[in-house]
Amino acid sequence: SQTIHQWPATLVQPVGSPLSLECTVEGTSNPNLYWYRQAAGRGLQLLFYSVGIGQISSEVPQNLSASRPQDRQFILSSKKLLLSDSGFYLCAWKRRLQETQYFGPGTRLLVL
Amino acid sequence: AQSVSQHNHHVILSEAASLELGCNYSYGGTVNLFWYVQYPGQHLQLLLKYFSGDPLVKGIKGFEAEFIKSKFSFNLRKPSVQWSDTAEYFCAVEDTGGFKTIFGAGTRLFVKA
Repeated sequence: SQTIHQWPATLVQPVGSPLSLECTVEGTSNPNLYWYRQAAGRGLQLLFYSVGIGQISSEVPQNLSASRPQDRQFILSSKKLLLSDSGFYLCAWKRRLQETQYFGPGTRLLVL
Repeated sequence: AQSVSQHNHHVILSEAASLELGCNYSYGGTVNLFWYVQYPGQHLQLLLKYFSGDPLVKGIKGFEAEFIKSKFSFNLRKPSVQWSDTAEYFCAVEDTGGFKTIFGAGTRLFVKA
């Protein structure tokens, strides 16, 4: 069966510090991968998606970037965090020919 | 641009009451439609989905949703809610040719025992 992992589960970082959130998927190959930010009352905002290694599409201009160094690994990064980067970050995957997305447990980021 | 609107941000019901959560989307082409649910402390998970065919789709735990193309709506229903249905519900739309899914703002449902 397929599983999706995210870490860390919770992170508290000072403003201006770098960020690296990791997402890995097991049990499947060539998945589409997604990063979302979930904010209260605003639903899930799609940040990035990837259809293959090294292929990243950005949905919103922001302080964040994403990379996919391996087929089942998706990383969300920032060089300098802002207060507004605080939130709940969700990683998700789906098979290419099926439309259901499967979500990870999320990372709660607090920037102080 | 695609968008999804969920009519209620918070809903409070008593057990056995009927539920209907509204969802409208804005998109000119053919879409796939979803309802996802997030129970307290759990991952976001699929509740039901519509791709084609019968516009009335049934999901897990007695939920159903009806796709009305002329109204660009995909409302979620359950005849009799239970306390365990307390969760946040998200409507989502994906164009059939793309890779992106657009989510609504979510509706928090609280069911009183």
